[in-house]
Parts: sequence; C-alpha cells; structure tokens
Amino acid sequence: DQQVKQNSPSLSVQEGRISILNCDYTNSMFDYFLWYKKYPAEGPTFLISISSIKDKNEDGRFTVFLNKSAKHLSLHIVPSQPGDSAVYFCAASRSNDYKLSFGAGTTVTVRA
Amino acid sequence: GAGVSQSPSNKVTEKGKDVELRCDPISGHTALYWYRQRLGQGLEFLIYFQGNSAPDKSGLPSDRFSAERTGESVSTLTIQRTQQEDSAVYLCASSLRSGRGFTDTQYFGPGTRLTVL
Repeated sequence: DQQVKQNSPSLSVQEGRISILNCDYTNSMFDYFLWYKKYPAEGPTFLISISSIKDKNEDGRFTVFLNKSAKHLSLHIVPSQPGDSAVYFCAASRSNDYKLSFGAGTTVTVRA
Repeated sequence: GAGVSQSPSNKVTEKGKDVELRCDPISGHTALYWYRQRLGQGLEFLIYFQGNSAPDKSGLPSDRFSAERTGESVSTLTIQRTQQEDSAVYLCASSLRSGRGFTDTQYFGPGTRLTVL
C-alpha cells in the first residue's frame, strides 16, 4: 500500500525554466515531508524539507509547497540547471518518527 | 568526512544462494536503516537500528531476511535462499538520531545492486 505517490515518472525541462515536481500522500498522520535527489550510482541526498505547520519552505532555487487539505506537495526548481538532472524522491513521515515512506521518484532531465 | 559506504556495489547470485550485504555508517551516527528499492518503485523500509535498543524489523519481507549491527558501527543484511523477486538495490542510511523532536536527516550510501538469476 503506497502511501506516497509521484505520478509523473519523468519530466523534461529546458535550462533556465521552472521544474515542478508533484507528490501526493494518503496518510493524514504524516506531518513532515522531504525531498531527496539521487544521481546514478549514488545514494539519495537530502534536498529540502517542510513541516506541516508551514505551507512553503524555500532554499535557494528550491521551494517546497505543502497543501495539507489536498494532501499534496510540490517541489519547484527555479531556474533549472543541467546539474539538476537526477531522480527526485518525495518522502513523508510523522515528526520524530524514523520511518520514511517514499514515492517512486521522478526523473528530471534538464535540456541545454 | 566519510559518508555511508556499502559493499559490494554489485552482487549477482544464483537463486537459492545466501548473500550478505555490508554497511558502514557515518561515524557517530547512532541510527542505521536498511531500505530496498525494486525497479520502478520507491524506497521500501526494511529495518532500523538505534543504539542498544531492539531493532525495528517490521519491514523485513520474510524470515529469509535478517540484519545485525555491531554496536554503533557496521551492519550486515543477510538474505538466505535468495529468490528472483529479491533482485533490487539495497540502500543503507544513517542518522544522528538526536531526539530533538524532529525527524533526523538520513544520509544514504550508494547501495548494493543485487541480481538473483
């Protein structure tokens, strides 16, 4: 039973434009959300997170938006750069819980 | 500093054989996690170790899977009598587990790609 879903397996965007990655969750107990980035042959690396007390968190070119009523979050990358080409995983948990539930990932390709 | 390391990076085995996967967490990290990622799927939690507490084995898919951890260092994940459906990337992660009231960042190793023929 997948509690975190990323319905777009891939996304292609031109360099300099915005990348928008979407993620939906089903468990209303989740209150902490993360995005991880993964390059080939490497492990996922933490990118950005958001607590349910917020609806937006920004870190440089990366912004995560949370819509609790819709159980939806999104990651915006502006502007997209070639080095952003990677697989992005959405993850969720209950705060102070060690178990993360992951989506299947979205492969982003940034075209020059 | 050194990150999480895993060995081997790739393992090909025959159905029915046992395999052992190794994880070296970041020094000082008390929490260690094992995940599995099958093709086209998200990371699936397998097991969690925290200090000297009893591990949380709730994610292990069958009794063919077991894991051990030596103190707060190396961990091994053992799969006995491997099956083709065990083919996946097995990822290890570690975290500080500071208990400050929020989810600690997990740092992942590069994974072991297991192929069962």
